Amino acid sequence: DIQMTQSPSTLSASVGDRVTITCRASQSISKWLAWYQQKPGKAPKLLISYASSLESGVPSRFSGSVSGTEFTLTISSLQPDDYATYYCQQYSSHSGTFGQGTKVEIK
Amino acid sequence: QVQLQESGPGLVKPSDTLSLTCAVSNYSIRSSNWWGWIRQTPGKGLEWIGYIYASGSTYYNPSLQSRVSMSVDTSKNQFSLKLTSMTAVDTAMYYCARTRTGYWFFDLWGRGTLVTVSS
Repeated sequence: DIQMTQSPSTLSASVGDRVTITCRASQSISKWLAWYQQKPGKAPKLLISYASSLESGVPSRFSGSVSGTEFTLTISSLQPDDYATYYCQQYSSHSGTFGQGTKVEIK
Repeated sequence: QVQLQESGPGLVKPSDTLSLTCAVSNYSIRSSNWWGWIRQTPGKGLEWIGYIYASGSTYYNPSLQSRVSMSVDTSKNQFSLKLTSMTAVDTAMYYCARTRTGYWFFDLWGRGTLVTVSS
């Protein structure tokens, strides 16, 4: 099974900060990675697929990148609406494992 | 807009079988998408349970395979999950979701339903 290691588990940041979340795959998954945002009491919402392809309607301050098996979600300037938990998911096969999540908190 | 809505009991007794249904509205379940169940617990985070296609083809998480079954009812535009031998560790928020055509990630989720296992 492919394991996804996401870090950090919690991140404290202020409005306007640049935020970076990392997800590392235990083996090559090409660019088959998605990022989701989840707010309390809500279902996850798809932000990015194929490592860097932004979903329609997602603000351009969100971006994704990849280097080898390390994937990064960046929020260029954190906004109040961005305080949430973020998850990665590899989908190189139907066994689409998720990362453990990163909670972005108000500093 | 396309919506997915989970339904089922919020409370299940230990050793019982959980049955959940996901009703899909404003979109045909016969479209070229796989449909999935995912659960979320504080301890294990998000865990995929399985996928089903309109034809009835399925993929199950190996860790749950012995206890899970999924079915689809195209006439009602819905799909279902059964999980047997429920225990406290199966207490979770259960989500149904749609995969993006041709891929294994989820582009649309239901609101989820909380299932508690307790006597």
